[in-house]
Amino acid sequence: QEQLVQSGGGVVQSGGSLTLSCTASGFIFSDFAIHWVRQAPGKGPEWVAITSYDGSSSYYADFVKGRFTISRDNSKNTVYLQMRRLSADDTGIYYCVKHRLAVTARAVFDSWGLGTRVTVSS
Amino acid sequence: DIQMTQSPSTLSAYVGDSVTLSCRASQSISKWLAWYQQKPGEAPKVLISQASTLETGVPSRFSGSGSGTDFTLTITGLQPEDSATYFCQQYFLLWTFGGGTKLEVK
Repeated sequence: QEQLVQSGGGVVQSGGSLTLSCTASGFIFSDFAIHWVRQAPGKGPEWVAITSYDGSSSYYADFVKGRFTISRDNSKNTVYLQMRRLSADDTGIYYCVKHRLAVTARAVFDSWGLGTRVTVSS
Repeated sequence: DIQMTQSPSTLSAYVGDSVTLSCRASQSISKWLAWYQQKPGEAPKVLISQASTLETGVPSRFSGSGSGTDFTLTITGLQPEDSATYFCQQYFLLWTFGGGTKLEVK
């Protein structure tokens, strides 16, 4: 079955950087766009970023523009999220999520990983 | 940015009851709306897309309606396993979730 396994979370100081990874299996990774979505404790999910099937197109939520970069390596079935200038507001569980389409067009979220926890301490 | 507002924030009902959860968008999103169910310690799971299309494997007691700015999720014949938090999501312009409705089934 489809699986997405996130790693790279942890505790980082405010102003610091962290890179998350997500490795997929159980589907043709290069056929689908992938999102990063985060969820703060007790809050609803927040969409963070998306990359298209080939990495040629990416979009970001306003609150991460210029600080986060999404990328993918289809030879490794892996997507990354580089996070810089982190603040306490970035604390939460970060999920990688399979998009229903190859491109970044309107569609719902399919499979979710179990998430990786990021804590930004001040 | 499109904001999504859900009501109520919490809801309690009994097994067998019917409940209706509401979701409002800050601008028209046509029918580009999905509903997700999230249980504690788990990732969200999509129940309904395009405002009213039931996803494969989702019980028929779940139904969705609405278009434009106002949407509802109705669950008829509540079961204990329906206890969860429900989120609406617009995908008309990027993706935005509502704050959620926490449903307790007694």
